[in-house]
Amino acid sequence: TQLLEQSPQFLSIQEGENLTVYCNSSSVFSSLQWYRQEPGEGPVLLVTVVTGGEVKKLKRLTFQFGDARKDSSLHITAAQPGDTGLYLCSLTGTYKYIFGTGTRLKVLA
Amino acid sequence: SQTIHQWPATLVQPVGSPLSLECTVEGTSNPNLYWYRQAAGRGLQLLFYSVGIGQISSEVPQNLSASRPQDRQFILSSKKLLLSDSGFYLCAWSPSGRKNTEAFFGQGTRLTVV
Repeated sequence: TQLLEQSPQFLSIQEGENLTVYCNSSSVFSSLQWYRQEPGEGPVLLVTVVTGGEVKKLKRLTFQFGDARKDSSLHITAAQPGDTGLYLCSLTGTYKYIFGTGTRLKVLA
Repeated sequence: SQTIHQWPATLVQPVGSPLSLECTVEGTSNPNLYWYRQAAGRGLQLLFYSVGIGQISSEVPQNLSASRPQDRQFILSSKKLLLSDSGFYLCAWSPSGRKNTEAFFGQGTRLTVV
C-alpha cells in the first residue's frame, strides 16, 4: 500500500507569516490533490496537480508538484486565521483516493 | 446540483451493539462511493469503496462491513462494536469513469463507543 507522509504534523504560526507543508511518497504519483478540512466537516478540494513540475496558485496558496512526481508542497503567503485547518494531500486514480497523514495548521491572530 | 447526505451526525453506542451509518447521494448516477475513518486530527483511512451496486471493495480487515443496496446509497455496518471503532466516519462520492476528479465528502459521523 502506497504511503503518503506529510510534514510537519502540526504547525502553529502568527498571522502574516509564511509557511510550507510537504507531501512525500516513495512511489511516483500519477496525480495529486490537496484538500483542507475544518473541524467537524469533510475535506474540501483546493487543487489537483497532474504534471511533474507543475505550479498552481490559488490566491495566497501556491502548490507545486515535484519534477519526479513523488512529492508536492503547499506554500501559504501571509497566513490568516481563516487558513486554520487540516491540510491533506491525496493520491488520485480513476476511483480511489488515498490520503496523507495530514498537517494541522493553526494561525494565531 | 449534486449533494451528499450522511447521518447521524453524532452517535454514542455501547460496546457490542450493532451499527448502521447511512449515506445517500443526489443529483448524479452511478457514483463511486467511499467510507473513510479519521482518527482525531489525522489523515483519512479508506475503509471501503464501491464502483457500482453490490460491488464493495474492502481496504482493511476490520470489524466493519459495507453495502450498496441502491445506486446512490452506501451503508456502513457492524454487528458488534468495539472500543477501537470510535472515530469520525466520512462518506464521499466521485464521478465514475473519470480520472483526477474531486471527491465530495459528507459532513461526517462522530462515533463514540463506550
